[in-house]
Amino acid sequence: DVKVTQSSRYLVKRTGEKVFLECVQDMDHENMFWYRQDPGLGLRLIYFSYDVKMKEKGDIPEGYSVSREKKERFSLILESASTNQTSMYLCASRHTGTVYKAGYTFGSGTRLTVV
Amino acid sequence: AQTVTQSQPEMSVQEAETVTLSCTYDTSESDYYLFWYKQPPSRQMILVIRQEAYKQQNATENRFSVNFQKAAKSFSLKISDSQLGDAAMYFCAYGRDDKIIFGKGTRLHILP
Repeated sequence: DVKVTQSSRYLVKRTGEKVFLECVQDMDHENMFWYRQDPGLGLRLIYFSYDVKMKEKGDIPEGYSVSREKKERFSLILESASTNQTSMYLCASRHTGTVYKAGYTFGSGTRLTVV
Repeated sequence: AQTVTQSQPEMSVQEAETVTLSCTYDTSESDYYLFWYKQPPSRQMILVIRQEAYKQQNATENRFSVNFQKAAKSFSLKISDSQLGDAAMYFCAYGRDDKIIFGKGTRLHILP
């Protein structure tokens, strides 16, 4: 069963900490995405990556960075966590060139609380 | 810029009844894809149905169907014979080029 795996389902961190959210996919997908989900705001794109070592800013990149050293792994980094980064974080992936026929494959999310 | 609007933050439907979730979008493109995703309490986003904009025929997947009105930029989801397992957050989404843009979601409650 193919999947996107996010390493933590729940995470609690302190303000100012450096936080790593990990996402791994086993489908050999080129494209990977990080979204943030907040009530009443839907899903907002933070960063995405077309391929290894490539990254593009999404709609809300401030306060975040990403790393894609291997094709299967896409990490979201909160350089100095703040309480307004408390949220649900969703990772997704897809093949390049599928023209959205299959949409994205999503992980099951990491609920991050910054205290 | 493309936008996706879901005007109903919450809806309720009696089990076995039919419900329609609304979605409108804004784009100047002619070729794109539209999706409905379901997010149950497990948080796993599941693709429910997709529509290719160049196809006039409305997509159908078992109890789920869409009413795609390209000129009106409307893409509603109809769920027939609602079941308790349909209770979830539903997201309408627009896809073109490299990204998918999501609406804010509609939470659907199923009343037994």
